[in-house]
Amino acid sequence: AQTVTQSQPEMSVQEAETVTLSCTYDTSENNYYLFWYKQPPSRQMILVIRQEAYKQQNATENRFSVNFQKAAKSFSLKISDSQLGDTAMYFCAFMKLSTGANSKLTFGKGITLSVRP
Amino acid sequence: EAQVTQNPRYLITVTGKKLTVTCSQNMNHEYMSWYRQDPGLGLRQIYYSMNVEVTDKGDVPEGYKVSRKEKRNFPLILESPSPNQTSLYFCASSLSVIPNQPQHFGDGTRLSIL
Repeated sequence: AQTVTQSQPEMSVQEAETVTLSCTYDTSENNYYLFWYKQPPSRQMILVIRQEAYKQQNATENRFSVNFQKAAKSFSLKISDSQLGDTAMYFCAFMKLSTGANSKLTFGKGITLSVRP
Repeated sequence: EAQVTQNPRYLITVTGKKLTVTCSQNMNHEYMSWYRQDPGLGLRQIYYSMNVEVTDKGDVPEGYKVSRKEKRNFPLILESPSPNQTSLYFCASSLSVIPNQPQHFGDGTRLSIL
């Protein structure tokens, strides 16, 4: 079974600064996907970024980038130039790569990020 | 507009009174699933469906039922709700079970069982 650990329950960052959210995971699988989801106060689950484990290059999406360390089983999210709209709960999630089977997302507990004006 | 629609958004009810949370998607997705979100636990999968008439248990299926009679709909049924089922529920769908297909989430249903 896979587990995803987000050890920091909450963080705060000043607007326009950079913040890094940590995530570690445990799996015996070699092929999988990792995700970061954002949940603003509206409760929607919004996909922020995705990383395929077989890709060495770290994924980036505008101000969001990841530091994927496969050997260390670490998957951190860096948010650059933080904006007030980034205030949300962020979830790290894991999905095993196995076609024809359950596309279950295994989530961490989440981290609450507050961006200060 | 492509979306996953859940109803109701909020519900307060009492122990033992059967309820159904509906989920409908308009994207012709094959895969659908239900999650519950609890503080300090993240989201956990309740049930999933890989296609019409194909459903299976997730990690926390006790006390829930589902059905998939049509491709677009995947209702979550609580036959005899109990207070420990008070939670925030999400329905999700994706085009297929291939993991590179992004999952689309509904806006969530807040259930309170008294």
